[in-house]
Amino acid sequence: NAGVTQTPKFQVLKTGQSMTLQCAQDMNHNSMYWYRQDPGMGLRLIYYSASEGTTDKGEVPNGYNVSRLNKREFSLRLESAAPSQTSVYFCASSEGGPRETQYFGPGTRLLVL
Amino acid sequence: GENVEQHPSTLSVQEGDSAVIKCTYSDSASNYFPWYKQELGKRPQLIIDIRSNVGEKKDQRIAVTLNKTAKHFSLHITETQPEDSAVYFCAASKGDYKLSFGAGTTVTVRA
Repeated sequence: NAGVTQTPKFQVLKTGQSMTLQCAQDMNHNSMYWYRQDPGMGLRLIYYSASEGTTDKGEVPNGYNVSRLNKREFSLRLESAAPSQTSVYFCASSEGGPRETQYFGPGTRLLVL
Repeated sequence: GENVEQHPSTLSVQEGDSAVIKCTYSDSASNYFPWYKQELGKRPQLIIDIRSNVGEKKDQRIAVTLNKTAKHFSLHITETQPEDSAVYFCAASKGDYKLSFGAGTTVTVRA
């Protein structure tokens, strides 16, 4: 039981490049989330998927797109990376409703030059 | 949207002493308040949570209190140990899947 997994662990991009961050969970959870973590700012919600087939914007969605590929997988895409998107990205999942424990993946460290 | 403020940003305590972290929230509709612990280089993990119909919750050395009138909640760690050294985040939600986090408190337990 791997829990929540993320790939890659670390990535360096040049400004304007695109990339997709992958996330998968094997806990049969309905809800999945993408956060970014910046020093002194805690975690900020980018997008979430309450259930398979649905996605919604969080607090900081600009510059990102998401796809809930199936119940297990939720990807985050940066179409044209900017230095302001340098951050650590965490994927999380929860069993069902919004007041359930969120389980986080190990994170992806992204550096945009 | 919800605004969560967390204090202090850093906290140094002697092993065996207590640690208290305080958070305030802005949206009176918030009804779920989890606390996450993040060790250096690791992922955040839930340590305790409280819902708005409860004023206090305890789990061994950890307790959380909630004052809905004042819109603040606190984390209390008693008998601190070296393994309690980490960054602690409070969060608030009104049940709409959007969890708003505080900026974090770095707790250092001195031996």
